[in-house]
Amino acid sequence: QVQLQESGPGLMKPSETLSLTCTVSGGSINPYYWSWIRQPPGKGLEWVAYIYSSGATNYNPSLKSRVTISVDTSKSQFSLKLSSVTAADTAVYYCARFMTSGLYYFDYWGQGTLVTVSS
Amino acid sequence: QSALTQPASVSGSPGQSLSISCTGTSRDVGGYNYVSWYQIHPGKAPKVVIYEVSNRPSGVSYRFSGSKSGTTASLTISGLQAEDEADYYCSAYTTSNALVFGGGTKLTVL
Repeated sequence: QVQLQESGPGLMKPSETLSLTCTVSGGSINPYYWSWIRQPPGKGLEWVAYIYSSGATNYNPSLKSRVTISVDTSKSQFSLKLSSVTAADTAVYYCARFMTSGLYYFDYWGQGTLVTVSS
Repeated sequence: QSALTQPASVSGSPGQSLSISCTGTSRDVGGYNYVSWYQIHPGKAPKVVIYEVSNRPSGVSYRFSGSKSGTTASLTISGLQAEDEADYYCSAYTTSNALVFGGGTKLTVL
């Protein structure tokens, strides 16, 4: 059973860079796509980015200028960096496995980690 | 890309059937048959209940079914049970190789 676990700072100040890591266990990080999705308090889900285990990426156009997703297969981890955060980036951030090859859905999710941006 | 349109809330009594709609455009819901649905209970990780419009993952109740017509997809839950009370989100893979979610629907079992 694949398990994902997010780790992050919890509380941040405006203008800082958010760094999140997702550790994959119970299965291989290869050869899959992995993604970040977020949910602001009281609002809906928003896809942020996905990455293939070889490094190919795709980003939400509305966040692309501030987001970088990366993967470290040796550690079975993938990461997200979001620069110049504001209160609008306050959200629960989920990592998930993104199934492709004619399927295109998220089959395994982490529990999520709350990131609060406040001065 | 704009969020897909879902009703904010739906409700039904135990045993009833109900449907949740998800309306998009020809670039997302109408573009491919790559619509999926997720169930979120408070404080829990999201769980996929339907993928590729109408396929049910192993372990998901047969009471969950999906369909699509044009740019609108639907999730139907039959034989409503108390445990079905949750938030439901649709998602679509777009013609730009991106993902878009719906605004979410709160399902209340009366």
